[in-house]
Amino acid sequence: DAGVTQSPTHLIKTRGQQVTLRCSPKSGHDTVSWYQQALGQGPQFIFQYYEEEERQRGNFPDRFSGHQFPNYSSELNVNALLLGDSALYLCASSLNMGVGNQPQHFGDGTRLSIL
Amino acid sequence: AQKVTQAQTEISVVEKEDVTLDCVYETRDTTYYLFWYKQPPSGELVFLIRRNSFDEQNEISGRYSWNFQKSTSSFNFTITASQVVDSAVYFCALSEASNTGTASKLTFGTGTRLQVTL
Repeated sequence: DAGVTQSPTHLIKTRGQQVTLRCSPKSGHDTVSWYQQALGQGPQFIFQYYEEEERQRGNFPDRFSGHQFPNYSSELNVNALLLGDSALYLCASSLNMGVGNQPQHFGDGTRLSIL
Repeated sequence: AQKVTQAQTEISVVEKEDVTLDCVYETRDTTYYLFWYKQPPSGELVFLIRRNSFDEQNEISGRYSWNFQKSTSSFNFTITASQVVDSAVYFCALSEASNTGTASKLTFGTGTRLQVTL
């Protein structure tokens, strides 16, 4: 039973560049959320995708955008990278069961470094 | 707005000691969920427990136990007879109840780093 997988594991970019991070949800899950975790901090919610639409969004600028594909996998895109975007980006998946608030299962993350 | 406070930045214990990690939360919602996650050095957040606001019964799972007290807005986590493998960063998180079926966003605390030594 495959868990949440993210790629790449590490990435180094320079200021102003653009980056795309990828996530495959846990088998059977249909909802993907993205979080940014700065060093020494707790994860911060970026946005969530369900049925290929953005359903919730945290306090992040429009430079952060995403997409969900019919197979439930997801991408996180960040444009015009800033030094402050250096962080661990975590993908979490869950299953929409119609009621309740199901636990989110996380991947190992992509560590993004901006030079 | 929701907020989670984990006042203990770092705790060091010797193996076999018991340790309690504190979590205090703030929310205006009457229905909400509380979570604990473990983050080992690999980075993956490992789900440990989910508790809804209507269930104040304490829970025990092996060496782990959780004490939910609505009156003090706390959801503390105790590890009994700690082991070296328990060394990790532990996060407490809060989410509002979902009315759509999708998991609501998690608001995390800043985490408590637990170091268990021999």
